[in-house]
Amino acid sequence: AQKVTQAQTEISVVEKEDVTLDCVYETRDTTYYLFWYKQPPSGELVFLIRRNSFDEQNEISGRYSWNFQKSTSSFNFTITASQVVDSAVYFCALFVYNTDKLIFGTGTRLQVFP
Amino acid sequence: DVKVTQSSRYLVKRTGEKVFLECVQDMDHENMFWYRQDPGLGLRLIYFSYDVKMKEKGDIPEGYSVSREKKERFSLILESASTNQTSMYLCASRQDRVRAEQYFGPGTRLTVT
Repeated sequence: AQKVTQAQTEISVVEKEDVTLDCVYETRDTTYYLFWYKQPPSGELVFLIRRNSFDEQNEISGRYSWNFQKSTSSFNFTITASQVVDSAVYFCALFVYNTDKLIFGTGTRLQVFP
Repeated sequence: DVKVTQSSRYLVKRTGEKVFLECVQDMDHENMFWYRQDPGLGLRLIYFSYDVKMKEKGDIPEGYSVSREKKERFSLILESASTNQTSMYLCASRQDRVRAEQYFGPGTRLTVT
């Protein structure tokens, strides 16, 4: 079975706090990609990052960082020093190359208060 | 930058009407997709297209059809709109299976009354 679980439905933080969004995935395939998307109130899903299954190196982009651990099947997303503009729904997604399917988690709504 | 546009942000239609949702991408992407997004159900794939004139059913194709006459344009058609098709519709495109990341349009919020 292929599945993405985002156990946190909603998270609220105060500006400047760090926050981590969890993502756990399931697949038996060895070739896959993991993604994070951001959906602000305007509705458009914005692509943030892609990680392939052969590359466990963590990535940092400004205040955003991603931690990929195959041992725990997790691909967590951390926002450092959160800002109000980070308020959005964040989706983790799994792409399995053999089936050509993109499977989304149910999303985590992040609210950052001033 | 990839740009995917959708013909309407908000649409209100009556039950039984034929509804056309248009999507255009400007990055010469091969593949295009239509999803619907509902609270608690996440994103569900309706139809996708690998190339012009090609279409494949997704997970929930019933009540929908699609058309791809040109590479940049992918249309979703609701033959006879019903209230259970009230939803947010998202179009996406990607270069190909190898690159895999999909780029999404702003969405169309459709209400069927």
